Formats: sequence, C-alpha cells, structure tokens
Amino acid sequence: AQKVTQAQTEISVVEKEDVTLDCVYETRDTTYYLFWYKQPPSGELVFLIRRNSFDEQNEISGRYSWNFQKSTSSFNFTITASQVVDSAVYFCALSESFPGYSSASKIIFGSGTRLSIRP
Amino acid sequence: EPEVTQTPSHQVTQMGQEVILRCVPISNHLYFYWYRQILGQKVEFLVSFYNNEISEKSEIFDDQFSVERPDGSNFTLKIRSTKLEDSAMYFCASSSGRTLNTGELFFGEGSRLTVL
Repeated sequence: AQKVTQAQTEISVVEKEDVTLDCVYETRDTTYYLFWYKQPPSGELVFLIRRNSFDEQNEISGRYSWNFQKSTSSFNFTITASQVVDSAVYFCALSESFPGYSSASKIIFGSGTRLSIRP
Repeated sequence: EPEVTQTPSHQVTQMGQEVILRCVPISNHLYFYWYRQILGQKVEFLVSFYNNEISEKSEIFDDQFSVERPDGSNFTLKIRSTKLEDSAMYFCASSSGRTLNTGELFFGEGSRLTVL
C-alpha cells in the first residue's frame, strides 16, 4: 500500500536560513509519481512539483530544490534563503498511477510539515 | 488562467441535515476528485470520478456520500445526513488527462463545512 511520511510536523527558522523538508514514501509499484504541494494560510493547495519514479535527476527552481533518492525512498524539499512568504504547510504526496492519464487514480498526501519563517 | 471554483466557501449546518458542495472543474478536464482536510490534519482522498462514474473511493466515502456530474460542468459532493465528524475543508480537484500534462491536480480553494 502507498504511504507518505513527513516526520517533521513543524519547523521554525529565521528568514534567510536554508531549510529542508523531509519526505519518505512507501509503494509496491515500480512506476509512481511524487509531488509537493504548498498550503499557505489562505488554505488553497498549490502544486509545486511532480517527479516520476524513473527520473532521479534533482531539480532546482529558483530558491526551491528537490532531492529524489530511490535508494532511500525519499523526496526531500529544500528552500534556500527562506523568506517569510514561504511560511505554509507543505505536503508531500504519492500516486501509483499517472493521475489523470489512464485512470482517475488518487494522490495520497503525507501529514504535512508546518514551516514558519521568522523575520 | 482557468481555475477550479467551489461553492459555498463556508457552510454551517445542523447534524443530520443534507449538504451539497459544488465544484466547477476546469472546462476541458476529464478527471475529478474530492478530498477533505479536517482542521490541522492531512488531506485525505475521498473519491475520483471519470467518464460519469466513480473510479475509486476511500473508506471514508461511505453510503452517506455521493457524487454527481449533473450537467457536464458542475461536479457535486452530497452528504446525506451530516455528522459532527464531517466538519472539514472539502477540496475539489480536476485533471486534464493529457499525455503531456504534469500530472498536476488543480485544486479549488475549498469549501469549509461546519456541522453543529
């Protein structure tokens, strides 16, 4: 069965510090997809990134970077030079089928990490 | 930019009452979902819907819940007889299903349901 574990329930750092959010997943499938979503205080869910299981290349987008390690079943998210606007709950998620392609399969979310950036 | 819209943004109801939450997915999307988030907790899958039928549903989605796409644009979630534990934020999401899409689910802003 699918499972996503985000062991860090809350993290608080001072602005401009780097911070890494951990995500560990479990799946029986060899093909799967990993996601990060951001939930700001306003409550909506904002898509950040999707990663395929067959593509272990790390990705950088501005101050955000993601480290996908199949050997440890981890998909960690790093924010460099954090800003107050990064304060939010961040969810890691997993799908064992390509959502919205062959079938309307589900994405399973982790329990989230609440990130607070102090000025 | 197209978006998923949900109504109402907040509904307060008495226990035992029926509630319908409405969603307008992005117009060319084919796959529809409902998720819920009890305050401060994880986002939980309820149901997925494709080709006018349920693709998959979770254990949470019991006989009290139903979904419908009544007119080709709206996608509704009905709770027949609400319980206190149904109080949560309900998110609708849709996906295009195109080969080259990112696999992203587009989420609405949520409908907060409070059952008294």
